[in-house]
Amino acid sequence: RKEVEQDPGPFNVPEGATVAFNCTYSNSASQSFFWYRQDCRKEPKLLMSVYSSGNEDGRFTAQLNRASQYISLLIRDSKLSDSATYLCLVRISSGSARQLTFGSGTQLTVLP
Amino acid sequence: DGGITQSPKYLFRKEGQNVTLSCEQNLNHDAMYWYRQDPGQGLRLIYYSQIVNDFQKGDIAEGYSVSREKKESFPLTVTSAQKNPTAFYLCASSGVGVSGGASSLGTGELFFGEGSRLTVL
Repeated sequence: RKEVEQDPGPFNVPEGATVAFNCTYSNSASQSFFWYRQDCRKEPKLLMSVYSSGNEDGRFTAQLNRASQYISLLIRDSKLSDSATYLCLVRISSGSARQLTFGSGTQLTVLP
Repeated sequence: DGGITQSPKYLFRKEGQNVTLSCEQNLNHDAMYWYRQDPGQGLRLIYYSQIVNDFQKGDIAEGYSVSREKKESFPLTVTSAQKNPTAFYLCASSGVGVSGGASSLGTGELFFGEGSRLTVL
């Protein structure tokens, strides 16, 4: 089983739709969680950190479920500009440079 | 502005040649990383460094070498031993480290450079 798993998609949704992605992790010692956005042929950029209590940034909501070991990203009112690949990053220990793992990414296409 | 600078952005290499990709950061981060990304694939860790003069192999280190002589710099050499070097190379840094200073700890997210696209002819 992979340490971090994401549904690769692609997810094709109409503009205005609500879409959610999950990212499951296998190591219960994981401490920090992040969502990144990567546009085609560009570098990943931090979208948002995921806090234990859940957090929201405009149309984006991130949640953590420690019991079931997954994080989620919810996008409301999808825009064409949301089309990208969304990567999750899981860090096990804040003191270690090594113990972080990316998911393989979920591709989202928002259709007009 | 603080950030990570990678160069060159595009590089073409003949088979059998070594090439070095530059990565410089002014974020005062202790940890630096090199990733490789192939089309439609996720990120694979090549090498990482937690402090100056120390670095560790990642998951796909064969055919690559690095150095970390300065905190700001973490160059990657793609050697002729790398069988399939054509890829998108990403350098990243993170505010996690052993120095304990507030400026180096951060919250653990990675910051990426714009990437270097290497093509072997």
